[in-house]
Amino acid sequence: AQSVAQPEDQVNVAEGNPLTVKCTYSVSGNPYLFWYVQYPNRGLQFLLKYITGDNLVKGSYGFEAEFNKSQTSFHLKKPSALVSDSALYFCAVRDVDTGRRALTFGSGTRLQVQP
Amino acid sequence: EPEVTQTPSHQVTQMGQEVILRCVPISNHLYFYWYRQILGQKVEFLVSFYNNEISEKSEIFDDQFSVERPDGSNFTLKIRSTKLEDSAMYFCASSALGQLSYEQYFGPGTRLTVT
Repeated sequence: AQSVAQPEDQVNVAEGNPLTVKCTYSVSGNPYLFWYVQYPNRGLQFLLKYITGDNLVKGSYGFEAEFNKSQTSFHLKKPSALVSDSALYFCAVRDVDTGRRALTFGSGTRLQVQP
Repeated sequence: EPEVTQTPSHQVTQMGQEVILRCVPISNHLYFYWYRQILGQKVEFLVSFYNNEISEKSEIFDDQFSVERPDGSNFTLKIRSTKLEDSAMYFCASSALGQLSYEQYFGPGTRLTVT
């Protein structure tokens, strides 16, 4: 079975500081990994994905994530946080080797960026 | 930018009633999905649909649930006899074929309240 853990319910960071939102995953085979963001009263918005290749992937709005196979992690990062980045962030995984398309989500991390 | 749309945004129904939630996926997408998020809990996969049939479903997706693509644009989720525990946010998603098919694009959701 596949699973995702987001160990922090909330991350607080000051505007202009770097941010990290943590994610670890478990799959029986190889993973496809995703980050989504949810703003209030909105759906899940795709940010970035890791499929294969470079371990550092870049996505929308200046976000990036680093895939670490040995640590089974896919942490979301941004060099300089904006107040407008405040939202709920979800990590998700899909097991490549099973052929299943269903995404398994983490419980979400609320990012609060203070001015 | 193309978006997944969902109607209604909020549906209130009495226990035992049938509800139909509607979605219009992105027009050139061929895979369709339903997920749900019970308040305060994780986003959970319900079902995926491709080529006019269910390709994958979770344990949650029991006989009370059904999906349909009644025409070339709509994708619906029907709950035959709603229960209190069906109260949740229901998200529709779609994805393309081939190399563009990795990420799923989500609609804004329908909040279902069963009383």
